[in-house]
Amino acid sequence: AQRVTQPEKLLSVFKGAPVELKCNYSYSGSPELFWYVQYSRQRLQLLLRHISRESIKGFTADLNKGETSFHLKKPFAQEEDSAMYYCALSGLSGSARQLTFGSGTQLTVLP
Amino acid sequence: NAGVTQTPKFRVLKTGQSMTLLCAQDMNHEYMYWYRQDPGMGLRLIHYSVGEGTTAKGEVPDGYNVSRLKKQNFLLGLESAAPSQTSVYFCASSYGPSRNTGELFFGEGSRLTVL
Repeated sequence: AQRVTQPEKLLSVFKGAPVELKCNYSYSGSPELFWYVQYSRQRLQLLLRHISRESIKGFTADLNKGETSFHLKKPFAQEEDSAMYYCALSGLSGSARQLTFGSGTQLTVLP
Repeated sequence: NAGVTQTPKFRVLKTGQSMTLLCAQDMNHEYMYWYRQDPGMGLRLIHYSVGEGTTAKGEVPDGYNVSRLKKQNFLLGLESAAPSQTSVYFCASSYGPSRNTGELFFGEGSRLTVL
């Protein structure tokens, strides 16, 4: 079974401060990890995937297989980063790769 | 190019009533999914489809049925709605195995309230 845990439901930081959204996973195979974001009144969209090792909107995330973590980080938070963030794991289940989501973290960046 | 479109966007039902949510995608995606989003629980997979004419159960399939008669459409049905099915429902689609990057494309969501 695959499981994703986001321990923080709510996270508030001040503008310009560093931010880290935690994500831990459980999966017996080789995982593919993603971060999705949902801004207010917008649809859920992909932010970044671990396999591409990219930085999107200043966010980065490193897969740590030893700690089974995929934390999302940004050195200087901006007010427009306020959104709901979901960590997700893609693993084989049945006939297709399924995306399992964590419960989400609502990030608020204060002015 | 509309992407993923869900109808209706809002619906209020009485316990025991039935309804169907329609999802349409114009990206020629092989895979389609239905998720429900509940506070504190994230998104949970209800059913999914890997191609026209195929469906499979996800994590929380009870009380729902689905059909994929056409590649571009994925219908989610509630035969006898219950208050526990009050939720926001999201449809998503993705490429099949040959082009699958793991990225899902989501609709805007359908808010369903069962009284």
